[in-house]
Amino acid sequence: KQEVTQIPAALSVPEGENLVLNCSFTDSAIYNLQWFRQDPGKGLTSLLLIQSSQREQTSGRLNASLDKSSGRSTLYIAASQPGDSATYLCAAASGYSTLTFGKGTMLLVSP
Amino acid sequence: NAGVTQTPKFQVLKTGQSMTLQCAQDMNHNSMYWYRQDPGMGLRLIYYSASEGTTDKGEVPNGYNVSRLNKREFSLRLESAAPSQTSVYFCASSVRDRGTHEQYFGPGTRLTVT
Repeated sequence: KQEVTQIPAALSVPEGENLVLNCSFTDSAIYNLQWFRQDPGKGLTSLLLIQSSQREQTSGRLNASLDKSSGRSTLYIAASQPGDSATYLCAAASGYSTLTFGKGTMLLVSP
Repeated sequence: NAGVTQTPKFQVLKTGQSMTLQCAQDMNHNSMYWYRQDPGMGLRLIYYSASEGTTDKGEVPNGYNVSRLNKREFSLRLESAAPSQTSVYFCASSVRDRGTHEQYFGPGTRLTVT
């Protein structure tokens, strides 16, 4: 059974800092790994998807990497802003594309 | 495109009542999913439908039933609601095209069972 772990559970940083969120998974037989953002009381917004054959994906200030052999993914956020404050979820896709989620990292970026 | 829509947005039920959560997508996706989100537990898969006409259990299917009405719609039914089913329910869909499998989520239904 796939298990996904995210570290840290919470992170507080000053505006402008670069930061890394970590995600690990136990079963390397994945189709892809997705990173989502969730604002309080809202749904999930997809940020980046890395297919199993890829090593990284970039979107603006976000960069996600994938190392299947070690069961790890990281989400790098450059020059953080208060608007980046949210919970970030990673999810590993396997089987019929069903997702196994981590419990998330709650990020607070202070002005 | 509306993407994935869910109704209702909020619902309060008494123990033992039944209800159906509705989900529809207009992206011509073939796969659809129901998840629940609980504090400290993260999102967990309840049921999924890999394609029209098929449904399968996920991690936490007890107390729920699903219907894939057509390619667009996938409903989740609680036959006899229990307080343990208080949660936020998310529907998602994806297309299995060249291995992308990216899932798109609806806004959620916040359910309270008293």
